[in-house]
Amino acid sequence: SYVLTQPPSVSVAPGQTATITCEGNNIGSKGVHWYQQKPGQSPALVVYDGGDRPSGIPERFSGSTSGNTATLTISRVEAGDEADFYCQVWDNSGDPWLFGGGSKLTVL
Amino acid sequence: EVQLVESGGGLVQPGGSLRLSCTASGFTFSSFGINWVRQAPGKGLEWVSYITGSGSTIFYADSVKGRFTISRDNDKNSMYLQMNSLRDEDTAVYYCARVPLGRLDYFDHWGQGTLVTVSS
Repeated sequence: SYVLTQPPSVSVAPGQTATITCEGNNIGSKGVHWYQQKPGQSPALVVYDGGDRPSGIPERFSGSTSGNTATLTISRVEAGDEADFYCQVWDNSGDPWLFGGGSKLTVL
Repeated sequence: EVQLVESGGGLVQPGGSLRLSCTASGFTFSSFGINWVRQAPGKGLEWVSYITGSGSTIFYADSVKGRFTISRDNDKNSMYLQMNSLRDEDTAVYYCARVPLGRLDYFDHWGQGTLVTVSS
């Protein structure tokens, strides 16, 4: 079955750019979606279809995919961005909705 | 405003049963597919089950197949998860999550979750 791999943790100073990766076999051919889960809250969609943002999500959040890697980029990071981030794809080789293991973003 | 509200969680012994509910508002409930997604304490997200707007198509994760049953009542704007033969590893916060209209591959709105604890 398909596997998505994320780094467990990412650290960045305020005002800098955070990059969170999600690796999967030929992930560039799939729709990749990203969720932010702040402490004590439910997940929220921040990027869908690789690089589109739902209404209300700041332009600071962007996404891209290429080859075996999808990337969520958060520019001008703020303290309030601190959260767990999950990538997700739909795949028909196992359970259809598959999540990466999550990456904890720490703002230093 | 789209709202999804879960209820029915609690403490249950291994082998026991529990029924979760997800009540929706702010959108035409019967037009949207809904999922259950769970999160064990301190762990990541795991998809559990999906039901189409009409209820005609249902999917289950391998980990719950044969033990959990998803259903919905569109007249009551509600969706349910009947959980039988519960195991310790089913302990988690259970979220209901909507898929966008015309899509099924991601979740655009989530509820606040309900905690299920399986323990003796």
